[in-house]
Amino acid sequence: NAGVTQTPKFQVLKTGQSMTLQCAQDMNHNSMYWYRQDPGMGLRLIYYSASEGTTDKGEVPNGYNVSRLNKREFSLRLESAAPSQTSVYFCASSEVVTYTDTQYFGPGTRLTVL
Amino acid sequence: DQQVKQNSPSLSVQEGRISILNCDYTNSMFDYFLWYKKYPAEGPTFLISISSIKDKNEDGRFTVFLNKSAKHLSLHIVPSQPGDSAVYFCAASRYGQGGSEKLVFGKGTKLTVNP
Repeated sequence: NAGVTQTPKFQVLKTGQSMTLQCAQDMNHNSMYWYRQDPGMGLRLIYYSASEGTTDKGEVPNGYNVSRLNKREFSLRLESAAPSQTSVYFCASSEVVTYTDTQYFGPGTRLTVL
Repeated sequence: DQQVKQNSPSLSVQEGRISILNCDYTNSMFDYFLWYKKYPAEGPTFLISISSIKDKNEDGRFTVFLNKSAKHLSLHIVPSQPGDSAVYFCAASRYGQGGSEKLVFGKGTKLTVNP
């Protein structure tokens, strides 16, 4: 039982390049999330998917797109990377979307945009 | 406007002593609070939570206290161990706003427990 896995662990991009961050969970959770964490900042929600087939914007969605490929997988795409998107990206999942639900996080992807 | 504040970026304590991590919130509608722990190069892991109908919740060495009138919560770790050295995030949510996607996180406090 691997929990939440993310690939890649590290990535360096040039401004304007595109890439997709992959996330998968094996806990049969319905809901999945993408966060970013910047130095000295808490986690900020980019997008979430309450259930398979649905996605919604979080606090900081600009410059990103997401795809809920199936119940297990939720990807985050940067179409044209900018230095402001240099950050650590965390994927998370929870069984259901309720306000008391516990989220389980992946190990993160450290992205640098030059 | 920061709704969840962890005003101490870092805290250092001796092994065996008590660690107290503090968190303040501004939104009186928050009614569920969580603490997450994060080690370097890993994702945050859930530690303990408390509902606003309680003022204390205990799990082993970890206790969270909630003071609703002061909009303040604290995490106590007794006794502290070197393995507790990590960044601790406070988070809050509220009924009726949607689901846990509306978790609001503080900036974190880095705890160092010295042997």
